Amino acid sequence: GNSVTQMEGPVTLSEEAFLTINCTYTATGYPSLFWYVQYPGEGLQLLLKATKADDKGSNKGFEATYRKETTSFHLEKGSVQVSDSAVYFCALNSGTYKYIFGTGTRLKVLA
Amino acid sequence: AAGVIQSPRHLIKEKRETATLKCYPIPRHDTVYWYQQGPGQDPQFLISFYEKMQSDKGSIPDRFSAQQFSDYHSELNMSSLELGDSALYFCASSVLTRSYEQYFGPGTRLTVT
Repeated sequence: GNSVTQMEGPVTLSEEAFLTINCTYTATGYPSLFWYVQYPGEGLQLLLKATKADDKGSNKGFEATYRKETTSFHLEKGSVQVSDSAVYFCALNSGTYKYIFGTGTRLKVLA
Repeated sequence: AAGVIQSPRHLIKEKRETATLKCYPIPRHDTVYWYQQGPGQDPQFLISFYEKMQSDKGSIPDRFSAQQFSDYHSELNMSSLELGDSALYFCASSVLTRSYEQYFGPGTRLTVT
């Protein structure tokens, strides 16, 4: 079945450090891939998405490239800020009605 | 832009009570999805509806039921509540032809005591 595997957290970085959160997936067909962010006490916000191989999703300085050959969708940001502290979820949708989420990676950025 | 609306935002119930959660999708969205996120867990798909018909079903307990109404809003009914039902319940909506692009509401935090 379809699944998403994320790197375990928490990830603790200093402000302005480079961020990578790994995400790999298993899916039949050609899924769409997403990164969602959840700030403390809040809901899920779509951060970025990619719907086909080699697409790059980007938003607010975050980027992720859909790599079909490695079945990956790693999230990157060149310089993190304290306000980026949140839980990040990688997710896929393979054309069905439901999203499959990874277990989430908690990011903590220190000033 | 209009977003998905969920009510109430917070709900406290006792064991064996019932709860009803409401979801109002983005205008012109015809499909609604429900997810449950336990403490420290990833969201798990419960059920979805398109045009008032159930379109898919996930790990939804038999004690839960849901429906979608003619105005596309949806309600999740939960009976015989258990402590383990304490979670954040998300509703999402989409256009059916773009079910891969779901927009999530802020969630309802249910606490069962």
